[in-house]
Amino acid sequence: DSGVTQTPKHLITATGQRVTLRCSPRSGDLSVYWYQQSLDQGLQFLIQYYNGEERAKGNILERFSAQQFPDLHSELNLSSLELGDSALYFCASSARLAPTYEQYFGPGTRLTVT
Amino acid sequence: GQQVMQIPQYQHVQEGEDFTTYCNSSTTLSNIQWYKQRPGGHPVFLIQLVKSGEVKKQKRLTFQFGEAKKNSSLHITATQTTDVGTYFCAGLNTNAGKSTFGDGTTLTVKP
Repeated sequence: DSGVTQTPKHLITATGQRVTLRCSPRSGDLSVYWYQQSLDQGLQFLIQYYNGEERAKGNILERFSAQQFPDLHSELNLSSLELGDSALYFCASSARLAPTYEQYFGPGTRLTVT
Repeated sequence: GQQVMQIPQYQHVQEGEDFTTYCNSSTTLSNIQWYKQRPGGHPVFLIQLVKSGEVKKQKRLTFQFGEAKKNSSLHITATQTTDVGTYFCAGLNTNAGKSTFGDGTTLTVKP
């Protein structure tokens, strides 16, 4: 158990819909990262937050947005969903801002868009 | 932008054989991390390499960071069925402020 929690575990929804994925980092970790992992593919970095502020952006679509709240939990919002958005979404946390610290990954949310 | 390539994409070995995965970056890295993801699981941090030419060992696993800090390798000696999974490298560029994961090497081990 990494100490990072993600809800829900599974999500099935239809195209055009909007969903929110939630992540609680390890106690004390200020940095939260979001990744997308499609079938048989690597980890695509989406976005990083540090202590409530956006700090780095990867290949995140405009239909996707995220935020980190004062209690440090984070939410990833996916809207106007398409079939191609079906994937495993991981949240990871680390102690500091710089990516030189190991990241602890949550169990992931499996999103299926039908 | 920064690209991190990993080869091979898949590797099937007989239990007891050795295994190596290679990670190559298009830019010089500040450091490199390795993660393992078991089937159905999430990535778990294995190790971080920082210095040019660094070599670190964890039991049967040997990690190397190239002299130019643009490549790295993970070698497993005498694989066991517990080694199955996907091994990812993550190249960190502190100037860019983010890390880039390779696509991973998926290892299967035949008992």
